[in-house]
Amino acid sequence: GQQVMQIPQYQHVQEGEDFTTYCNSSTTLSNIQWYKQRPGGHPVFLIQLVKSGEVKKQKRLTFQFGEAKKNSSLHITATQTTDVGTYFCAGPRDDKIIFGKGTRLHILP
Amino acid sequence: DTGVSQNPRHKITKRGQNVTFRCDPISEHNRLYWYRQTLGQGPEFLTYFQNEAQLEKSRLLSDRFSAERPKGSFSTLEIQRTEQGDSAMYLCASSRRGGSGANVLTFGAGSRLTVL
Repeated sequence: GQQVMQIPQYQHVQEGEDFTTYCNSSTTLSNIQWYKQRPGGHPVFLIQLVKSGEVKKQKRLTFQFGEAKKNSSLHITATQTTDVGTYFCAGPRDDKIIFGKGTRLHILP
Repeated sequence: DTGVSQNPRHKITKRGQNVTFRCDPISEHNRLYWYRQTLGQGPEFLTYFQNEAQLEKSRLLSDRFSAERPKGSFSTLEIQRTEQGDSAMYLCASSRRGGSGANVLTFGAGSRLTVL
């Protein structure tokens, strides 16, 4: 069945450095979603990408959907301590939403 | 809109006991999902409902797990004869089926289960 894979599993960056996480699907996706889970919290929806090659920005966060709609990336510019958490991509399979294992971002002060 | 509510937030039980978790979704949402999350992993799909109909149940879910959504509103997830491997965070999420925000999941805070 469809799987959604994320790399890296962990990322430590100095505060102010950039961060990127990548998501790859074994099948073409109709859309892809990104969620953020703070330590001790629950996943919170960030954004949904639908179109091939789509790029969306939310302040310092840039989300991209690949041309083939099989991969996606999330890039954070100039990380801040508030960016700490785990970032998950998720894709639809039938009517379910399947999550990757996430990338845990740790910010070094 | 009070969000997705789950209770209890924490449950500690002895192996072999039964436990039940409740989820109250956002009232306008007709889809309700249950996920399980263990440390360092992403949410793992368990089952989902559209209104009161249970549309799919993960093959990973043993017969000890059962979920209901009797009136298409709140849902319960019961685990019978708990095992230590059932220890996890059980997350409930709801979404709209169509229209603006379709299939965007709003999660509850989760119910953490510890089986001793």
